[in-house]
Parts: sequence; C-alpha cells; structure tokens
Amino acid sequence: GAGVSQSPRYKVAKRGQDVALRCDPISGHVSLFWYQQALGQGPEFLTYFQNEAQLDKSGLPSDRFFAERPEGSVSTLKIQRTQQEDSAVYLCASSQRTDYNEQFFGPGTRLTVL
Amino acid sequence: SQQGEEDPQALSIQEGENATMNCSYKTSINNLQWYRQNSGRGLVHLILIRSNEREKHSGRLRVTLDTSKKSSSLLITASRAADTASYFCATDAGKFYFGSGTKLNVKP
Repeated sequence: GAGVSQSPRYKVAKRGQDVALRCDPISGHVSLFWYQQALGQGPEFLTYFQNEAQLDKSGLPSDRFFAERPEGSVSTLKIQRTQQEDSAVYLCASSQRTDYNEQFFGPGTRLTVL
Repeated sequence: SQQGEEDPQALSIQEGENATMNCSYKTSINNLQWYRQNSGRGLVHLILIRSNEREKHSGRLRVTLDTSKKSSSLLITASRAADTASYFCATDAGKFYFGSGTKLNVKP
C-alpha cells in the first residue's frame, strides 16, 4: 500500500476486555511510532521502534499497554483489561529515518471503552 | 503532558487572508515540525525547521523559529477553505512532543 494503514478503524470494548490494534507501516520504513490522541488534544507519544527493537516505551501509561514489532514491519499495540480512560484515537506513524524526522501517519484506530 | 502550546486555540478567517499560529515549547530542541490534521483524519507533515535555522518556506507556508524565546510561528498566506484543519507543532527534544493544536477555520 501507499501509506500507513491501521486496523480496525473503530473498536468498541467493554471495560476489562483486552484489545489489539494493528499498524502496517510504509514498506521499508525503519522507525515506527505509536501515539494516543484524546479528543481535542494533540497526540501523546507512547512508544518507538527502530526495526524490531523497542527503543523507547516511556510514554506507555501503564503496564496494561504493550507493543511489539517482531519482524520489524507490522506492529501491534495491545491493551489489557481496558479502562474507560483508555478511550482515545491510537495513531501509528512510520519514518524512513532513525530519528524524529518526517513521520507518515495512519488514519488511527478510535477505541471506545464502555 | 505536552511540551508545546499553540496560540490561538482557535482561529477563524476569510478565504484569501493570512493565518498565523504560534507555538511555544519548554526545552532545547533538535528540530520543530508542523503537522496538519483534517477532521477525523490522520496527521500530515507540513514542514520541519532545524534548531540552527531561523526561517523556512514551503509554498504558501512560512515557519520561523526563535530558540532564545523557545517559540515558533506558522504563517499560511492566501488561505483557502481547504486549509481548514487543526495545526500542531511538534518538537524533537530527544523525545517527541506535540502541542495542543490550533483549530483553523477558513470561511469561503
């Protein structure tokens, strides 16, 4: 595909359920980022991968959040035992470079926890 | 928490007018970037300015950076209705921080 894709686009979960959000970056992009965006706010950094290595996970809000990129391409963000405060749009971005230069964003997954 | 703050939070102008948005940040940076987000869609990278640069142009966009004041501005000249979106500054300070955004409405 030409751009970053994310699935599902929308997810409704009951409180306590586990969810998995997928990101397909642009082919060949080394860096992959996850962000959380609350309504009316700017995105907040969650975690960063360079190839398969998770170099920074300091933005993950709790140990219920886990991200992986096992083959250095597709990434999955998993949230265990979802809470209402996890409701947000989760954005994935990829970049050709190994730093925070131009990032290409996917459309996001809107998670609603009831 | 977010490092950047945009000002104003919202801006409404007529088509053809110029729009200026400001961004302030707190720590030393490697670069500062501006992104646009249309309603319900992903972010699009507009322009990057490095910490040793003071001004940069791209089409109808002009970005300035004042590292002594820890501030940046984005000027959109001759605005169009299609420029209606939220605009975010983002700073690379070893970690990557987005500001809270400016909502721009360009009336046709």
